[in-house]
Amino acid sequence: DIQMTQSPSSLSASVGDRVTITCRASQSIINYLNWYQQKPGKAPKLLIYAASSLHTGVPSRFSGSGSGTDFTLTISSLQPEDFATYYCQQSYALLRTFGQGTKVEVK
Amino acid sequence: EVQLVESGGTLVRPGGSLRLSCAASGFTFDDYAMSWVRQVPGKGLEWISGINSNGESADYADSVKGRFTMSRDNAKNSMYLQMNSLRVEDTAFYHCARDEGSLGTDAFDIWGQGTMVIVSS
Repeated sequence: DIQMTQSPSSLSASVGDRVTITCRASQSIINYLNWYQQKPGKAPKLLIYAASSLHTGVPSRFSGSGSGTDFTLTISSLQPEDFATYYCQQSYALLRTFGQGTKVEVK
Repeated sequence: EVQLVESGGTLVRPGGSLRLSCAASGFTFDDYAMSWVRQVPGKGLEWISGINSNGESADYADSVKGRFTMSRDNAKNSMYLQMNSLRVEDTAFYHCARDEGSLGTDAFDIWGQGTMVIVSS
């Protein structure tokens, strides 16, 4: 199975901060990488697909980059509603796998 | 409204069986592959199973392979997860998710709210 490793596991930030989360795959997944946001008690929401494409309705402060094994999710200016847990997920292999998550907390 | 609604979660004894259902509405169900993703409360997401649009092919994570079976009934806009030989570590919220394959990379674009399965004696 393809292992997905996110870093950091958690981070503290303030409104207006630029936040960067990284995700590394155990083998090349080309650009078959998606990012999700999950808030407590809610289902995950798709933010970014194909490594860098913004899903419908997602604010432009979210962006994704990377290819091969290394990927990044960036929030350009953190907003109050962005405090949540973020997951990367590969769809290169039939057996999909998620990263362990990155919790973005209030500083 | 595009929607997925899970049902069937409950308390079950270790070694027992359970069948979860996922009802889809608001979209052409048989156009999409579907998946089950589970989440232990307070922990991360784990993909456990996926099925193609016509139900002829399903894949499973190693953690459930041989114990869980995923199926779908496109006439009823529904999919199912038959869970056998349940273990304490299967305790989790179980979400169904739509696999959107037209984005250039398959991504889970629609999620249900989940149904809770508790495996305990």
